[in-house]
Amino acid sequence: DQQVKQNSPSLSVQEGRISILNCDYTNSMFDYFLWYKKYPAEGPTFLISISSIKDKNEDGRFTVFLNKSAKHLSLHIVPSQPGDSAVYFCAASGYSGAGSYQLTFGKGTKLSVIP
Amino acid sequence: DSGVTQTPKHLITATGQRVTLRCSPRSGDLSVYWYQQSLDQGLQFLIQYYNGEERAKGNILERFSAQQFPDLHSELNLSSLELGDSALYFCASSVRDQTGTYNEQFFGPGTRLTVL
Repeated sequence: DQQVKQNSPSLSVQEGRISILNCDYTNSMFDYFLWYKKYPAEGPTFLISISSIKDKNEDGRFTVFLNKSAKHLSLHIVPSQPGDSAVYFCAASGYSGAGSYQLTFGKGTKLSVIP
Repeated sequence: DSGVTQTPKHLITATGQRVTLRCSPRSGDLSVYWYQQSLDQGLQFLIQYYNGEERAKGNILERFSAQQFPDLHSELNLSSLELGDSALYFCASSVRDQTGTYNEQFFGPGTRLTVL
């Protein structure tokens, strides 16, 4: 039972264009959503997050949109750069008791930005 | 560099064996999380420790165990290893664990375990 789904295993985008990565979730108890970026041979690196009380959060070239009614979030990268080529993981968090906030990850989307 | 260190980077062992993976959290971080990433899978939460005490369990097998020591470093012990245990194991740490507040998790570079 996958609670966080990234249905596109890969995405190719031309440099300078917009990259849109999508993520769906099923658990309505999730209240915080994050995107992590991962290069080969490295651990995931936090990119951007959004609380469930917001519908948009922007940080430079990166914007995350949250549609709670559709249980859908997306990451927009504008403009895309070759250095953005990496695997992007969507993650969701919800309070699981005893002060614990676990992260539930999607399987990732491999973004390739073509020069 | 996230400030989280993991050793060893690579580990090759045989089925039935036992291994220990080590994690040192960022300075000042009290929470340590362990995740497993198998081929074509997302990161699966295994277990969390907070200031030496187990805080939450995820999809961790009974053959696996973990602990967090007084200096806050953590070890993940994997025993009776099977081929399917081959994966990347990540450790993450966060600064605090207060109710009502999400705390960003910083990930180490991972340990790649290969079971032959």
